[in-house]
Amino acid sequence: AQKITQTQPGMFVQEKEAVTLDCTYDTSDPSYGLFWYKQPSSGEMIFLIYQGSYDQQNATEGRYSLNFQKARKSANLVISASQLGDSAMYFCAMSLSGGSYIPTFGRGTSLIVHP
Amino acid sequence: GAVVSQHPSRVICKSGTSVKIECRSLDFQATTMFWYRQFPKQSLMLMATSNEGSKATYEQGVEKDKFLINHASLTLSTLTVTSAHPEDSSFYICSAREASGGRRGREQYFGPGTRLTVT
Repeated sequence: AQKITQTQPGMFVQEKEAVTLDCTYDTSDPSYGLFWYKQPSSGEMIFLIYQGSYDQQNATEGRYSLNFQKARKSANLVISASQLGDSAMYFCAMSLSGGSYIPTFGRGTSLIVHP
Repeated sequence: GAVVSQHPSRVICKSGTSVKIECRSLDFQATTMFWYRQFPKQSLMLMATSNEGSKATYEQGVEKDKFLINHASLTLSTLTVTSAHPEDSSFYICSAREASGGRRGREQYFGPGTRLTVT
């Protein structure tokens, strides 16, 4: 069975500072993908970043980077230079080759960026 | 690219009626589409996986006779909530996966969601 854990129900950060959102996972499948999605109050799920289990380097997409620590089974999202528009729910998800790459989502972390 | 639309965005219906929600991939072909349900302040729960031209695969606990899924083409999947009741009120989100393999074949692109309210 696969499991995704986000232990931070809510996070606060000052504008222009960096913030790390935690995500740990558990699987015995050697081939998997890790995703982060942003869900603003409008409800749409916005894809942010992807990390494959065999990728040698940590994924980066603009201000988003994924701190992939395979041995610790963690895939934390780092948002640099936070902006007010970053306030939203953030979901970590994992998909497995043995599960037809259908993602399972964590419970989410609510991020609020203060001016 | 990779845009997924959903229609309607909001719907209010009376208890006992049926509601159809459409999910379309606008600029790519989606062999697989997924339907999720999300209650307020909770995560997305997968309801079913829909493959073009075949029957949908439902997750445990999801009534297939209540949530009818039709994936008639590579760009369209529909979810019909039959005989809706207030407890079916929720946010329904679809996603689509490109037909290509590799990483992009693993990525899912989400629609904007449909907020269903059953009175």
